[in-house]
Amino acid sequence: GENVEQHPSTLSVQEGDSAVIKCTYSDSASNYFPWYKQELGKRPQLIIDIRSNVGEKKDQRIAVTLNKTAKHFSLHITETQPEDSAVYFCAASAYGNKLVFGAGTILRVKS
Amino acid sequence: DTEVTQTPKHLVMGMTNKKSLKCEQHMGHRAMYWYKQKAKKPPELMFVYSYEKLSINESVPSRFSPECPNSSLLNLHLHALQPEDSALYLCASSQDVTVNEKLFFGSGTQLSVL
Repeated sequence: GENVEQHPSTLSVQEGDSAVIKCTYSDSASNYFPWYKQELGKRPQLIIDIRSNVGEKKDQRIAVTLNKTAKHFSLHITETQPEDSAVYFCAASAYGNKLVFGAGTILRVKS
Repeated sequence: DTEVTQTPKHLVMGMTNKKSLKCEQHMGHRAMYWYKQKAKKPPELMFVYSYEKLSINESVPSRFSPECPNSSLLNLHLHALQPEDSALYLCASSQDVTVNEKLFFGSGTQLSVL
């Protein structure tokens, strides 16, 4: 089955700097890659997702890149703000299969 | 309405109690899910309902019993739980389980088993 590895487990950045979180997946059939943000005590919320027919997707300060050959995808947050502090989960799934989550990254943005 | 609503928000129960968690969505989604989440860990899938039928049971102990009364409602019945079952229980929905679609999560029920 699918296995998703996520790095780093914790990441501290200065406000205004960029943050990058990387995930690798094992199942070459996976074709959907969402990223969820979970603030303390709140629900996981989808912040961006990408499908395998696209190499990059941007939404304001957030971008996701996908390298299908290497089986890895990354979340890029530019101009980080204190409200970006949260746990971020990547995930992967193949068509019709369950979503498999990475272990999560705790992002701390220091002001 | 893009909300998944869960009740109660918090629940404390003894190991001999019977309780139920409730979840509701009005987005017309045909797939509904129960996840269990421990602190700072990813959500773990428990059950999936597709068109009101149970389609996935991730080998969950029988002390957890799901029910889908209609396309908008999902319940999780709890009986004889163990302290290690204490966790955040999240309900989620998506348009269709056969297509990779966005999962919408509820705010969860924080369960403590004493």
